[in-house]
Formats: sequence, structure tokens, C-alpha cells
Amino acid sequence: DSGVTQTPKHLITATGQRVTLRCSPRSGDLSVYWYQQSLDQGLQFLIQYYNGEERAKGNILERFSAQQFPDLHSELNLSSLELGDSALYFCASSVAVDYGYTFGSGTRLTVV
Amino acid sequence: GESVGLHLPTLSVQEGDNSIINCAYSNSASDYFIWYKQESGKGPQFIIDIRSNMDKRQGQRVTVLLNKTVKHLSLQIAATQPGDSAVYFCAGSYNTDKLIFGTGTRLQVFP
Repeated sequence: DSGVTQTPKHLITATGQRVTLRCSPRSGDLSVYWYQQSLDQGLQFLIQYYNGEERAKGNILERFSAQQFPDLHSELNLSSLELGDSALYFCASSVAVDYGYTFGSGTRLTVV
Repeated sequence: GESVGLHLPTLSVQEGDNSIINCAYSNSASDYFIWYKQESGKGPQFIIDIRSNMDKRQGQRVTVLLNKTVKHLSLQIAATQPGDSAVYFCAGSYNTDKLIFGTGTRLQVFP
């Protein structure tokens, strides 16, 4: 157990639908990062939050949004889902970027 | 733009041999690098890191080498074991508050 908790582990949904992925960071970590990993691909940075505020944005689609709550857990919202959104979505947390990230076990999203 | 890439998509080694996984980066301002190991169906797991003021760092059976002149880093795994089979990612921090990941190298260990 890495200390970063992601739910659900698996999600199957239809095109056009909306889903919410949840992440609880490791205790003490203020930064939360979301990454997307498509089949046999690298990790694409989506967005980062630090202590409730958006800190950095990557190649995140407009259909996707995220937030970090006062208790530091974060949610990634994916809407108007397309087949190409099927991927593993990872959350990671850190104290600071130069102390590395701790990843959760991911949510596998399948859009049918 | 920022990029971190790996030279080979797949590396096959025999059990007991040493493995070397290479990674190139484009931004000379990068100051921190990490190697992650990802097993099938799991999240990436931290292996070892190195800061730009160092050129070598050793862990248990792993060594990371950083060559800032040619913007290259490598991960060396000594006495490779079947449990080392996984995808290995290098990642770099480019003076921003996020890591940029390469596409990964799949390490296959044969008996």
C-alpha cells in the first residue's frame, strides 16, 4: 500500500457519460497530480493541485476537470466520454516535486 | 519543448546479467530525475532519484548515472532477476512543479 488511495479501481461506462475519479493523497502530502496512461504508453500529465489550488496544467481536455478539497482529497471529472478516453488514470501525491511522487494503483476506465 | 524519451522500447536480458536502461532529455534546465518501475496493472513505483548536482547515485542493486553534457541518464540494474521484469520510466523535473515522463522501456528477464 503506497498510501495514495484511488477509487474506483475499475470503471466501465458508455460514451457520452460522465464519471468522477477520486484520490486521497498520502498523509502529509499537499500536492496531488493526475496522469493518464493509455495502453502501452507513457504517463501524460493532466493537472496538479497544491493545497486546494490549481498549480499546473498539462494536456488536459476541456471535457475534463479536477478539484482538490479542503481535506486534500482530489477528484477528476471526465465528461462527454469518448472511446479514446479509455485509459488508466493515476493520481500521485508529494510533499514537493523534488522528493518524488507516490502513485496510487490507478483507476482503469473503459468507455464502451 | 520539454521531453524525456527512452532509446529502446524493449530490453531483453538473461537472469543474472546486468541491465542498462537509457533515457535522454531535452531541457538542460532540468534539475531532478527519477526512475520508476511499473509492473502490470500497478502504479509506478519509485526506484531511485538523482539531482543535477550529482552524476552518480547508487541504491540496492541499482545505479543511476547522469551525464548533463549530453543530457542523458541511465539506470543500471545489477544481477537482474525475474522480479525486475516491468516497464521502467525515467522522469524529469524541469524547474516546474511537475514531472515529465518518458514513454518507458519494457524489461524482460529470461531464465
